[in-house]
Amino acid sequence: DTEVTQTPKHLVMGMTNKKSLKCEQHMGHRAMYWYKQKAKKPPELMFVYSYEKLSINESVPSRFSPECPNSSLLNLHLHALQPEDSALYLCASSQGTRSSFADTQYFGPGTRLTVL
Amino acid sequence: AQTVTQSQPEMSVQEAETVTLSCTYDTSESDYYLFWYKQPPSRQMILVIRQEAYKQQNATENRFSVNFQKAAKSFSLKISDSQLGDAAMYFCAYRSLNTGKLIFGQGTTLQVKP
Repeated sequence: DTEVTQTPKHLVMGMTNKKSLKCEQHMGHRAMYWYKQKAKKPPELMFVYSYEKLSINESVPSRFSPECPNSSLLNLHLHALQPEDSALYLCASSQGTRSSFADTQYFGPGTRLTVL
Repeated sequence: AQTVTQSQPEMSVQEAETVTLSCTYDTSESDYYLFWYKQPPSRQMILVIRQEAYKQQNATENRFSVNFQKAAKSFSLKISDSQLGDAAMYFCAYRSLNTGKLIFGQGTTLQVKP
């Protein structure tokens, strides 16, 4: 089973709202990722969690706040977003073994976010 | 820094025919992984095939195979017996063993004509 689930599928929010995106995997993976993808463009890495600790933050604005409550769950908290933040937000996970990065990332279906 | 280039923004193929998608990359690393991902219009990114740089043998998964030329830094994807369900955007990706980051090309949109 290589399933990564994401909720909600679609989200519309105003610039003053606070919302959260959720990602879950039950493959025993210890690395989880958030990507942002604009239409017809490749995904852009935002954050990486390894063993529930934030290991990479690609200089993402503070209005995006990631959280990894446990090894199966990854959240992305959103606050005071801008219209240009509208995009598809993809979550991915991989084995994330400490000895090697040589593992495959499996992606969820994404959350389509629209900021009004 | 590593870069990945897909020089074909769009490709089309007749159903049941064979098509090859191109990918080149630039790196100074000697060991790394390469991937092809498929993203249909329904948007889920799906792994198609993976190649370890230290392996000389080209990876194959059913109708999908790669032509990996390490010296030329080329990693093309061949789709045989194309099916309508193969229509999607295909991304070539490089994974650094040092940083763990996945670096994507700009993608190739494949159209399959019935």
